[in-house]
Amino acid sequence: DAKTTQPNSMESNEEEPVHLPCNHSTISGTDYIHWYRQLPSQGPEYVIHGLTSNVNNRMASLAIAEDRKSSTLILHRATLRDAAVYYCIRAYGQNFVFGPGTRLSVLP
Amino acid sequence: GAVVSQHPSRVICKSGTSVKIECRSLDFQATTMFWYRQFPKQSLMLMATSNEGSKATYEQGVEKDKFLINHASLTLSTLTVTSAHPEDSSFYICSAPGGAGETQYFGPGTRLLVL
Repeated sequence: DAKTTQPNSMESNEEEPVHLPCNHSTISGTDYIHWYRQLPSQGPEYVIHGLTSNVNNRMASLAIAEDRKSSTLILHRATLRDAAVYYCIRAYGQNFVFGPGTRLSVLP
Repeated sequence: GAVVSQHPSRVICKSGTSVKIECRSLDFQATTMFWYRQFPKQSLMLMATSNEGSKATYEQGVEKDKFLINHASLTLSTLTVTSAHPEDSSFYICSAPGGAGETQYFGPGTRLLVL
């Protein structure tokens, strides 16, 4: 989706927090923001989603800007198993529009 | 959690042949399933929406006569790549909406290589 932008790649050290940004400046009021991650040659795996409020689950936190034009996925303590491509997705109804993805590398 | 399976996981075929890929929801029913295509180092692109009991809807630029979709039951959708050519080589992934209505459950993907 040309309207959703993500950094191409990011690096993190193991056991440190990671903040993955996403810009979705043309998001509409009813679109959800989802984050999925994908390992090589596998299907995407659900991470977290939200609409307006910040969200927390056992995997991550999602911080959504007040104007909803951007969001940040937060991994509180990166592990080597968190190395993957992270996709920010604009979801309207059941339709998912994938962003370009950020390849996260985790250094031991 | 809900599981979506795909078969086969990888397939190699000769140019000009047809290939069928199955997508199954294993422990839930799905009246709608989605088919995506992913080229190397690129994001997932939606190809079509598979609807149980009615015709599939295709995204702009996707040839419906080349990518035949059949939603045979509430747990099975198939994608047939007809007269495959090397440029159709890609990673094909299906998904189905979960019971919660907001999340999608993705299959493990099918790697297609057309020689």
